[in-house]
Amino acid sequence: DIVMTQSPLSLPVTPGEPASISCRSSQSLLHSNGYNYLDWYLEKPGQSPQLLIYLASHRASGVPDRFNGSGSGTDFTLKISRVEAEDVGVYYCMQALQSLFTFGQGTKLDIK
Amino acid sequence: QVLQSGPEVKKPGASVRLSCKASGYTFTSYGINWVRQAPGQGLEWMGWISGYNGDTNHAQKFQGRVTLTTDTSTKTAYMEVRSLTYDDTAVYYCARGEAILGAHYGLDVWGQGTTVTVSS
Repeated sequence: DIVMTQSPLSLPVTPGEPASISCRSSQSLLHSNGYNYLDWYLEKPGQSPQLLIYLASHRASGVPDRFNGSGSGTDFTLKISRVEAEDVGVYYCMQALQSLFTFGQGTKLDIK
Repeated sequence: QVLQSGPEVKKPGASVRLSCKASGYTFTSYGINWVRQAPGQGLEWMGWISGYNGDTNHAQKFQGRVTLTTDTSTKTAYMEVRSLTYDDTAVYYCARGEAILGAHYGLDVWGQGTTVTVSS
């Protein structure tokens, strides 16, 4: 199985400041079609997870443009340009290249 | 949206069958993934079933213990987990995904979760 490793695991952020989360995979997630099969999800407190980014850099419907995904191969980053209070929660990356998907361990973002 | 069945309490060794009813989209154009979250833990992907052709995949740790099925007439996906242990206590989510592996656009619609408690 592909192992996904996120860092940091905890991320305190001041509102209005940027935030960045890293995700590394044990194998390249670059598909032969040119897309990287890497998603980002946010689990807000008391809610079901929600899709933020798919195929490494494609923002899901309704996701604010302050969320941006980048990276290729084995190294990926989720950046929030200006953190808002509603962004608190646990962020997960997930690989979807192999038929057996796997999540990272999660990064907990909270407000300073 | 996808609407999941209600909470379950089971004894060790028992089985549980969870349901996930889809609405508002063409069921056969998507698949359903099952993801669980044990108390205080992260998300764990369990398996996928295609609403298009019934193909399935399971995480290795669940091979032989989990069965995924669909009923296209009622637009419902089911997951049966057998031989429950205390470690299976978790919130189980279903989430819409691709109908054919490789045509991936993320898990874009999530159910509200079903709490399964394994207790003697």
